Amino acid sequence: GIQVEQSPPDLILQEGANSTLRCNFSDSVNNLQWFHQNPWGQLINLFYIPSGTKQNGRLSATTVATERYSLLYISSSQTTDSGVYFCAAQNRNAGNMLTFGGGTRLMVKP
Amino acid sequence: GAGVSQSPRYKVAKRGQDVALRCDPISGHVSLFWYQQALGQGPEFLTYFQNEAQLDKSGLPSDRFFAERPEGSVSTLKIQRTQQEDSAVYLCASSAGTGVRDTQYFGPGTRLTVL
Repeated sequence: GIQVEQSPPDLILQEGANSTLRCNFSDSVNNLQWFHQNPWGQLINLFYIPSGTKQNGRLSATTVATERYSLLYISSSQTTDSGVYFCAAQNRNAGNMLTFGGGTRLMVKP
Repeated sequence: GAGVSQSPRYKVAKRGQDVALRCDPISGHVSLFWYQQALGQGPEFLTYFQNEAQLDKSGLPSDRFFAERPEGSVSTLKIQRTQQEDSAVYLCASSAGTGVRDTQYFGPGTRLTVL
């Protein structure tokens, strides 16, 4: 099946700083989603982005499918951005399930 | 409902007990998935339903795990004779269609602790 790797595994930021999270995947994807898992464990959908660029407020994401990576940008970070960020990919050859990366644990300090 | 709901949110079981975890998907969603998330790791796929048909159960770790979705809406994940390694968060997700390009929406999870 498809392999998904995220970097960095841990990230500590000062409030107001910008950051870039990376997701590499080993095969072509039909679906690529970014999630934020809050401290209560809820996975919140951020982006559905198998290719191209999207923006939503302070967050934006870019997927370069031909080079098999996706980036999540967080600008002007806030303490409420803390949590774990996951990317997950779906490959037609591997069925309809999402394969998750190991996550990036973000802590934003005031 | 507005989102995917799961119950109970927390479950403590003694080793050897059977447990049943419930998932209510978003109304009208055809596809339903179960994932298992161990502490500090990303979720891992368990099983997939399209309406009432279980099309993929390749991720179920053993024959003690059983899932059903008899009427194509609510799903139940049952774990028989629970063991300590079953302790995890069990997440349910649903998507509107049947294709590989559909966004999956996740419920809040059930945290299972086996003592």
